[in-house]
Amino acid sequence: QQPVQSPQAVILREGEDAVINCSSSKALYSVHWYRQKHGEAPIFLMILLKGGEQKGHDKISASFNEKKQQSSLYLTASQLSYSGTYFCGTANNNDMRFGAGTRLTVKP
Amino acid sequence: NAGVMQNPRHLVRRRGQEARLRCSPMKGHSHVYWYRQLPEEGLKFMVYLQKENIIDESGMPKERFSAEFPKEGPSILRIQQVVRGDSAAYFCASSPPTGVGNEKLFFGSGTQLSVL
Repeated sequence: QQPVQSPQAVILREGEDAVINCSSSKALYSVHWYRQKHGEAPIFLMILLKGGEQKGHDKISASFNEKKQQSSLYLTASQLSYSGTYFCGTANNNDMRFGAGTRLTVKP
Repeated sequence: NAGVMQNPRHLVRRRGQEARLRCSPMKGHSHVYWYRQLPEEGLKFMVYLQKENIIDESGMPKERFSAEFPKEGPSILRIQQVVRGDSAAYFCASSPPTGVGNEKLFFGSGTQLSVL
């Protein structure tokens, strides 16, 4: 069962913030976040392993609410380099499924 | 340590031909995943394999598609009698033996299959 992501697309100006949500109908063991630039392979951003865990580096962070089976990715003070498609992935029993993606466009 | 290697990068086939996509996981990785991606769409799960075993092939069409991960050599995704609808980017990813629950996936650069 693949997770559900929202929104499908976001357009920002440089310096603005965005939140991308990911939810699952199944209990989650862990949540992964990846970013993919056009024509390239997805690149790992972070993994969250337990409920309530929050991680971040630079101005990108994420939270994981195990009870609600949800995760959110926070991008603050966005930069042009943040443009791309963001995927959340959920892992259960090593089975890895991805959401449909959120296309983020950051404009100058 | 080389990353996940996929070849070829681009593959052109005519309708009815066979396509073979290869994936060499990172050294020490024993879990391989294949995903298909249509233009402007998400990563659709196809199959999850461990060495010599198919663990989950629920995302793979029952006909014309097969996958293997032999004891020696790369994982192979095979598409027989290709049709235009098979045109897509196919990504392979690998994870260490501890599994993807705790470890990140490493992706290859993908194979772009074009069916004429």
